Amino acid sequence: QKEVEQDPGPLSVPEGAIVSLNCTYSNSAFQYFMWYRQYSRKGPELLMYTYSSGNKEDGRFTAQVDKSSKYISLFIRDSQPSDSATYLCAMRSGANSKLTFGKGITLSVRP
Amino acid sequence: NAGVMQNPRHLVRRRGQEARLRCSPMKGHSHVYWYRQLPEEGLKFMVYLQKENIIDESGMPKERFSAEFPKEGPSILRIQQVVRGDSAAYFCASSPRVGGLVTDTQYFGPGTRLTVL
Repeated sequence: QKEVEQDPGPLSVPEGAIVSLNCTYSNSAFQYFMWYRQYSRKGPELLMYTYSSGNKEDGRFTAQVDKSSKYISLFIRDSQPSDSATYLCAMRSGANSKLTFGKGITLSVRP
Repeated sequence: NAGVMQNPRHLVRRRGQEARLRCSPMKGHSHVYWYRQLPEEGLKFMVYLQKENIIDESGMPKERFSAEFPKEGPSILRIQQVVRGDSAAYFCASSPRVGGLVTDTQYFGPGTRLTVL
């Protein structure tokens, strides 16, 4: 079993839709959770960072963490064509700085 | 404030040659991480360095790969005797320090795309 599993894609939605992206993990030591966005042939860009169970909102983006279920989600409201990218979940334990990534899901938002 | 810089952005090597990838962290950042992204795969951790020290190399292949972060100058990821399976995008990330604070998160460079012919 991989440490981090991410829903496979690709995912295509119409403009304005609500998008839900999900990851599960098996390592209980993970304490810090991130979502990165990666445009084609670019480096990953940090989108959201959380470290406690619950929701964190930033504009159209909401990150949700459920440590008891080992499950994290990213919600995108009112999706825009500019949101079309690959979304990577990442996590790390407090003691070790290396990030463990999900495989990524490619999102396409149709105008 | 410039972000993480990597060069070259694209590198083509023939099998058996050496590849040197360079990474300059963000100003004020003293921690550097290297990750590899193979086609259709997620990012995989390779090595974590501070100035003049390798902190964690648990993701580095045992042979042909090495990394350094000297007191002066950029961090270097070196791949000797490259093979076709080394073709990938190599990303460098930097952070100001280790810990759990938001400011300790990792910021990525644009990557070096290595192609081995």
